[in-house]
Amino acid sequence: QVQLVQSGAEVKKPGASVKVSCKASGYTFTSYDINWVRQATGQGLEWMGWMNPNSGNTGYAQKFQGRVTMTRNTSISTAYMELSSLRSEDTAVYYCARSPAFDIWGQGTMVTVSS
Amino acid sequence: ESVLTQSPATLSLSPGERATLSCRASQSVSNDLLAWYQQKPGQAPRLLIYAASNRATGIPARFSGSGSGTDFTLTISSLEPEDFAIYYCQLRREWPPYIFGQGTRLEIK
Repeated sequence: QVQLVQSGAEVKKPGASVKVSCKASGYTFTSYDINWVRQATGQGLEWMGWMNPNSGNTGYAQKFQGRVTMTRNTSISTAYMELSSLRSEDTAVYYCARSPAFDIWGQGTMVTVSS
Repeated sequence: ESVLTQSPATLSLSPGERATLSCRASQSVSNDLLAWYQQKPGQAPRLLIYAASNRATGIPARFSGSGSGTDFTLTISSLEPEDFAIYYCQLRREWPPYIFGQGTRLEIK
């Protein structure tokens, strides 16, 4: 079936980087953009950026410009989101989602930033 | 810049009742750019409605979307126990391409 499967939970120290993966299956990976959305505990959904897996083109929300990098490996149908210079406010669940419809979501990856 | 405002923040209803959730955009938007999602605790959001009024695959008929311009509504005609969750509207636009409303929590009365 069509699905996105994300990597497991991460615990990082402030200032470190985290790289989350999102593996697509059941559809042609390069046919749909991949977006990243995060959600702090008890908070709403925050769009971070998108990537076109075919071209590698990306677009990032202004809030994350300079700290986020979205890449892909088409040979294994996997997208990646790397966030650097982590701070405690980055503690959240990070989701990948297929667009334009956001009809398929990954299960989420908990990233905890703590000293 | 278009902003989405959802109301109410919390809606308390009983199973069998009708739920009406609102999403208001600060500027007029095209219907085909508005979507609704349901999120249950510990789960990823699920697409319910796209293009303002089209149910996604597998979504029960008790869910319906309507509206145009700046005012959009998600209606659940008769609440089932599994419908108690948080609901988000989402707008697709030029840039940034996606924004979400702050959500409406639908809780059991």
